[in-house]
Order: sequence, then structure tokens, then C-alpha cells
Amino acid sequence: SQTIHQWPATLVQPVGSPLSLECTVEGTSNPNLYWYRQAAGRGLQLLFYSVGIGQISSEVPQNLSASRPQDRQFILSSKKLLLSDSGFYLCAWSFLAGGETQYFGPGTRLLVL
Amino acid sequence: AQSVTQLDSHVSVSEGTPVLLRCNYSSSYSPSLFWYVQHPNKGLQLLLKYTSAATLVKGINGFEAEFKKSETSFHLTKPSAHMSDAAEYFCVTSYNTDKLIFGTGTRLQVFP
Repeated sequence: SQTIHQWPATLVQPVGSPLSLECTVEGTSNPNLYWYRQAAGRGLQLLFYSVGIGQISSEVPQNLSASRPQDRQFILSSKKLLLSDSGFYLCAWSFLAGGETQYFGPGTRLLVL
Repeated sequence: AQSVTQLDSHVSVSEGTPVLLRCNYSSSYSPSLFWYVQHPNKGLQLLLKYTSAATLVKGINGFEAEFKKSETSFHLTKPSAHMSDAAEYFCVTSYNTDKLIFGTGTRLQVFP
């Protein structure tokens, strides 16, 4: 069966510091991968998605970037965090071939102070 | 453009009473529709999915949803609420097969 991992689970960072959040998927190959942000009391906003290694699509202009160095690894980064980057970050995967259901990781709570 | 509207931001029920979480969709063609649940500080878990095979969809934990094209609705129901059902529920639709569109969520409170 497939599993998805995210780390760290929680993170407190000062404004202006760098960020690296990691997501890995086990038990499947060539998944679509997604990064979402959920701000307090709000719905989910799609940040990035990837259909393959090195292929990243950005949904909204922002202070963040994403990379996919390996088939089942998806990384969310920032060079300098802003207060507005605080939130709950969720990684998700779906089957590449026409699959629509997305399966979510446990999330990372980021607080920027 | 596709979208979903969750009609209630908060729903409160007593344990053992029925649950109704409302969702209306907007689509120019038959959509794929989902309900996800999110417990506090957790990721999202898929409850059920509609893909036009059957209008009444049964999900996990006793939840089900009925697709009603005439009303453009996909309401989530459960006959008897449990305390463990307290969570945030998201109605979701998809487009281009790769991207999901989320509703704003409904917070379900269950009182003993």
C-alpha cells in the first residue's frame, strides 16, 4: 500500500530565515505530487504540482519554490520566510494516469515569528 | 468554471442525531466530487468519491452522499453522529483530472 510522509511535523522559524519542507511517497511510482497551504480558518490553496522529476508548475506567485529531485520526493523551499508564510502545509499525491483522488500527508505546521 | 459551495461554515449536532453537511457544485458538465475530512492538526482523509457510476455514494465511517443533478447538490449525511466525527469537512471537485477545487469547509461539532 502507499504511504506519504512529511517532515518536520511542526516548525517555528524567524522572519527572513530559509525553509525546507520534505514530502516523500512510498509504494507507488510516477505519482503526481502537490503542495497545498492551509491558512488558519481557511480552505486549501494549491501552491505547486508536479507530474514528474524536475517538472514543477506554480499556481500562485509567492515567496516559495518547489523542487522534485527524485520521483517520490517533493520539497518546498524558501530563501527568506515572511510572516504571511505561516500556515499548515500539506503534501498530496495521486496516480499519474488519469487518477483524480488525492491522498494527503499528515501536514507540517509552520509558524513564522 | 467549476466550483463548490459549502453552505454552512459550522454545524452542531448532538451525539446520536443525524448529520447533514451541504454542498452545491457548479459545473458545465458532470463533475467528479469528493468529500474529505480533516481532524485537528491532521492531513485530509478521503471519505467518499462520486464518479457518475451511482448517485448514492457510500463512504467510510458510515457517511454517504447523494449526487442530485437537478439540484446541483452533493450533500454529506450520516444517520447517527459520534463524538469522533467532530472535524472539518471539505467538499471538493476536480478539473483537468489533476487539480482539485476545495470548498471553504464546514466545521462539525458534536455535543454529548
